[in-house]
Amino acid sequence: DIQMTQSPSSLSASVGDRVTITCRASQDIANYLAWHQQKPGKVPKLLVFAASTLLSGVPSRFSGSGSGTDFTLTISSLQPEDVATYYCQEYNSAPLTFGGGTTVEIK
Amino acid sequence: EVQLVESGGGLVQPGGSLRLSCAVSGFTFSSYAMSWVRQAPGKGLEWVSAVSGSGGSIYYADSVRGRFTISRDNSKNILYLQMNSLRAEDTAVYYCAKQRGTTVTTIDYWGQGTLVTVSS
Repeated sequence: DIQMTQSPSSLSASVGDRVTITCRASQDIANYLAWHQQKPGKVPKLLVFAASTLLSGVPSRFSGSGSGTDFTLTISSLQPEDVATYYCQEYNSAPLTFGGGTTVEIK
Repeated sequence: EVQLVESGGGLVQPGGSLRLSCAVSGFTFSSYAMSWVRQAPGKGLEWVSAVSGSGGSIYYADSVRGRFTISRDNSKNILYLQMNSLRAEDTAVYYCAKQRGTTVTTIDYWGQGTLVTVSS
């Protein structure tokens, strides 16, 4: 089974900062990588699929990149409403695997 | 508008059984694979099981294989998860989730979740 390792597990940044979250797969998953956002007390929501394709309606300050085993989610200018836990998810094959999550807070 | 509404959660004793249901609307149910994903209190997301749009392909996480059974009724637009031999570590919010295609792929919509508590 594929293992997904996210880093950091948490971070604190100021409004307007550039934030980068990393996800590493234990084997090549091409671009079969999604990012989900879960705000406190809320249901997860898909942000990015195919490693770099933003879902319609997702603010353009979010971007995804990478292929193979190394991927990143970047928030170009952190906003208060971005406080959430972010999960990467591979879908190269079942079992689908989520990363451990990265909790983003405002400093 | 895509809607996924779970039901069937509750308190059950260790070793007991529970069946979760997910009623869907807003899309052609049979055209999309579906998954169950769970989240233990204060923990991350754990994929549990998936079924293809036709129901012909089914997948399980090792942690539930042999105890849980996923199924779907495409005539009623309902997804099910039969959970047997429940353990304390199965305690979690269980989310029904739609996938982007007919086979296993990324999740694009999540239900509100239903809480399953396994405790004596």
